[in-house]
Amino acid sequence: DAGVTQSPTHLIKTRGQQVTLRCSPISGHKSVSWYQQVLGQGPQFIFQYYEKEERGRGNFPDRFSARQFPNYSSELNVNALLLGDSALYLCASSLAGRQGSEAFFGQGTRLTVV
Amino acid sequence: AQKITQTQPGMFVQEKEAVTLDCTYDTSDPSYGLFWYKQPSSGEMIFLIYQGSYDQQNATEGRYSLNFQKARKSANLVISASQLGDSAMYFCAMRESLIQGAQKLVFGQGTRLTINP
Repeated sequence: DAGVTQSPTHLIKTRGQQVTLRCSPISGHKSVSWYQQVLGQGPQFIFQYYEKEERGRGNFPDRFSARQFPNYSSELNVNALLLGDSALYLCASSLAGRQGSEAFFGQGTRLTVV
Repeated sequence: AQKITQTQPGMFVQEKEAVTLDCTYDTSDPSYGLFWYKQPSSGEMIFLIYQGSYDQQNATEGRYSLNFQKARKSANLVISASQLGDSAMYFCAMRESLIQGAQKLVFGQGTRLTINP
């Protein structure tokens, strides 16, 4: 079975642009969470979606938005990019809304804002 | 708010030796879960081991074991017989409950482990 897949793996954008990151969860998993990992730090929670509804949001500005589709895949959108948005964006999938021992991460999308 | 502290920015260990990575946590929630993840340079977060707050025994997964001391609020990862491939960043994380039944993971700053041949 395929694990959590994210696309693209690397991305370079200019300040002020918009970006969309994609995530496909493990088959059968209905919950997707997004994390931002700035260089040298641990991941920070951005969003959790379960059954196509937002279930949790971290301390991020409204420039960050996400959605989940009927097939449980998810997109993370970031508008008006800032240099500080440069980071590794990780997607995690789990069976349900609870992130117990079933939380598995993708390989991440490395976003560079110039 | 919950908090995870990893006090070792870097660890250097000889191959085949055992290594302990420290993790302390702070929470007022009586029910919680603790995780360890490995992150190689490729970026993927690889799940290693999980310990629930009500689990009676310390979790073990192959060469990984979790030294869970609830009274001290510590959840140290022990890697036995270290291998060169164990060189990576290691993150301790705690499950935090949100409203609407959702949960998130709160991560520590990480420890960079280097295994020397």
